[in-house]
Amino acid sequence: GENVEQHPSTLSVQEGDSAVIKCTYSDSASNYFPWYKQELGKRPQLIIDIRSNVGEKKDQRIAVTLNKTAKHFSLHITETQPEDSAVYFCAASGDDYKLSFGAGTTVTVRA
Amino acid sequence: GAGVSQTPSNKVTEKGKYVELRCDPISGHTALYWYRQSLGQGPEFLIYFQGTGAADDSGLPNDRFFAVRPEGSVSTLKIQRTERGDSAVYLCASGGYGSGVNVLTFGAGSRLTVL
Repeated sequence: GENVEQHPSTLSVQEGDSAVIKCTYSDSASNYFPWYKQELGKRPQLIIDIRSNVGEKKDQRIAVTLNKTAKHFSLHITETQPEDSAVYFCAASGDDYKLSFGAGTTVTVRA
Repeated sequence: GAGVSQTPSNKVTEKGKYVELRCDPISGHTALYWYRQSLGQGPEFLIYFQGTGAADDSGLPNDRFFAVRPEGSVSTLKIQRTERGDSAVYLCASGGYGSGVNVLTFGAGSRLTVL
């Protein structure tokens, strides 16, 4: 089955700086890569996703890049704000539609 | 409904007891997933329904766990002879053809504590 690894496990950034989280996946058949944000005690919420037919996608301050050859994808948050503090999860799935999640990155934005 | 609804939000039970956790997905979503999340971990896949049938139950840890979705809408996750290691947040998610069956919207979860 699919194995998704996520780094770093924790990330502390100064407000206004950028944050980058990286994930690798094992199954070359995976074709869908979403990112979820989970605030303490809340449900995971989809913030951005990318499919294998594109290499990059942006939505305001967040962007995701995908390198299918290397089997890795990354989340980039620019101009970080205190409300960006949360746990972020990457995930991957293929035509089996089964999402496999990384272990998460706890992001803390320092004011 | 407008979102994915899960009940109960919290369940405390004793070792050896039987529990049922309910999920009401977004209306019209054909795909329904159950995940388990332990403290400090990512969601762990348990089972995926497409309509009434379990399309993939490879994540169920053992035969104490069972899930049904008899009418293709509400689903119930059933855990027999609960063990302390079953303590976790059980998340339900649904997905639909409009956005993609694997574009998931999660419920708030059912926190299970086995004493």
